[in-house]
Amino acid sequence: GAVVSQHPSRVICKSGTSVKIECRSLDFQATTMFWYRQFPKKSLMLMATSNEGSKATYEQGVEKDKFLINHASLTLSTLTVTSAHPEDSSFYICSAHRDITEAFFGQGTRLTVV
Amino acid sequence: GENVEQHPSTLSVQEGDSAVIKCTYSDSASNYFPWYKQELGKGPQLIIDIRSNVGEKKDQRIAVTLNKTAKHFSLHITETQPEDSAVYFCAARRRGGGADGLTFGKGTHLIIQP
Repeated sequence: GAVVSQHPSRVICKSGTSVKIECRSLDFQATTMFWYRQFPKKSLMLMATSNEGSKATYEQGVEKDKFLINHASLTLSTLTVTSAHPEDSSFYICSAHRDITEAFFGQGTRLTVV
Repeated sequence: GENVEQHPSTLSVQEGDSAVIKCTYSDSASNYFPWYKQELGKGPQLIIDIRSNVGEKKDQRIAVTLNKTAKHFSLHITETQPEDSAVYFCAARRRGGGADGLTFGKGTHLIIQP
């Protein structure tokens, strides 16, 4: 299958700081990428849809000023958690679509805010 | 919006036996149904998918069936092996003009007993 690379895999940051997570499609161009959040033993919750060259579309209840998304190229989308707080601690996962249906996921990023 | 129900939440089977995980969806416009396997601390991996114009698809020990009338689809794993132990997620995506995010089931923790 196609390869989607997500970095970092783990990050620990202090409360009030910002953290940037990168999602790259390594062997295909992805006009659309998605960002999910996953709590322990729970399913994936879609946070936002990232479209190359335009503003991201956020799901209801997701703060756009808190979770900044930039999709600057066809192979890279970034999620920045701004002014992180302990409740932002979670597993964040990106996915990229190779075509209109098939989605491939990154390895995920474990964020811990202390 | 779409709602995906997945059962059971936990499934324990003896090595060599078959495992079946079932999902139902609510949106009749959904036309793509992937299954993902997620190991601890990693992103979901696509293992098999089916589109709404097909009733069954098989890939070695894994098969997926789709009943569009009843709006349910199932994952079948035969001759289970210890490495099949993981959390499995079903998902559904509706037909649309672009690449919409997937709606996931809540996951099934599959345990293969040696």
